[in-house]
Amino acid sequence: SQQGEEDPQALSIQEGENATMNCSYKTSINNLQWYRQNSGRGLVHLILIRSNEREKHSGRLRVTLDTSKKSSSLLITASRAADTASYFCATDTGRRALTFGSGTRLQVQP
Amino acid sequence: NAGVTQTPKFQVLKTGQSMTLQCAQDMNHNSMYWYRQDPGMGLRLIYYSASEGTTDKGEVPNGYNVSRLNKREFSLRLESAAPSQTSVYFCASGGRDFTDTQYFGPGTRLTVL
Repeated sequence: SQQGEEDPQALSIQEGENATMNCSYKTSINNLQWYRQNSGRGLVHLILIRSNEREKHSGRLRVTLDTSKKSSSLLITASRAADTASYFCATDTGRRALTFGSGTRLQVQP
Repeated sequence: NAGVTQTPKFQVLKTGQSMTLQCAQDMNHNSMYWYRQDPGMGLRLIYYSASEGTTDKGEVPNGYNVSRLNKREFSLRLESAAPSQTSVYFCASGGRDFTDTQYFGPGTRLTVL
């Protein structure tokens, strides 16, 4: 399986609810990044968390990193229809490349 | 400030044809990248350029060549297209290296018949 794998593959929630998606990885990392991709568009960077950090916030986004479990989670609070997108984690393992997971497709119902 | 631009947006090729995908960034970034994204999958790195004048292979370089023409421009060439190269291609640019945030272009949707 891939270095970064998101879970669940798909998530459908109602507007106003929180959305949580997880990313697991296999080898040690320098940092982990989360990106959003709207349908038919390029990826947009959301947040970067370094290996020595445990939690970061940006607006309605909260990212946690547990290096002992090799996992990260992305929480979107009070979701909006505009949050409908695919979300990818990407890990920097120091091998001169980011490794992207296959993504979580989030659908926020109005 | 246009960010990362890519041309063309769509392209259909026949097997064996060649083409070049163009990418330009106006953010004065050192690093530039080419990825491909297949349906339902994450991005896979084809080639990258850490600085003007240097290029390196990524995870899936076979069948592709690249040119870092100057600091702004990074092109991807398919010399003899194959159906397996049907994909969406994204160019990205970033700061110093992979530890920095990457900024993506809108993508080129390529179909090889």
